[in-house]
Amino acid sequence: KQEVTQIPAALSVPEGENLVLNCSFTDSAIYNLQWFRQDPGKGLTSLLLIQSSQREQTSGRLNASLDKSSGRSTLYIAASQPGDSATYLCAVISSSGTYKYIFGTGTRLKVLA
Amino acid sequence: KAGVTQTPRYLIKTRGQQVTLSCSPISGHRSVSWYQQTPGQGLQFLFEYFSETQRNKGNFPGRFSGRQFSNSRSEMNVSTLELGDSALYLCASSMQGANEQYFGPGTRLTVT
Repeated sequence: KQEVTQIPAALSVPEGENLVLNCSFTDSAIYNLQWFRQDPGKGLTSLLLIQSSQREQTSGRLNASLDKSSGRSTLYIAASQPGDSATYLCAVISSSGTYKYIFGTGTRLKVLA
Repeated sequence: KAGVTQTPRYLIKTRGQQVTLSCSPISGHRSVSWYQQTPGQGLQFLFEYFSETQRNKGNFPGRFSGRQFSNSRSEMNVSTLELGDSALYLCASSMQGANEQYFGPGTRLTVT
């Protein structure tokens, strides 16, 4: 049974700092991994999608890496800003064709001005 | 291109009632998935529909059901509401199901 863990659960950093969010999964047979951000009371916004054949994806100040063999993904945020404050969730979809995303519990990020 | 829309955005129901939530996917997307989000359990998968067929179902009681129409719009129904059903219900659409998922704003259901 796939389990997804995110560490740390919460993080508070000063503006401008570079930071790394971690996501671990127990079953390496994944089709893809997706990072989302969620603002309080809102839906999820897709940040980056990494397919199983890829090692990383970049979008602006965000870079996500994937190491299937070790069951890990990291989301790197460069030069953090107060507007980055949100909960960040990673989710994996199994390659067994079940078509359901398994979500981690999220990292609640607060960037202090 | 319009995003995923969900209606209604907020809903207050009484225990024992039933409720129907609606989701309109991005144009051209044929897969719609539903999730329940609560503070205690996080985001949990309810079910996924593709071309009007339920392809997968999560571990929820039979009170939770859904369907998908020929235009890919989807509805989910919860019967005999319980207090524990209070949650944010999110739907997501994608081209095929295993592709990138796009989420709607959610429906906040409160059961009193």
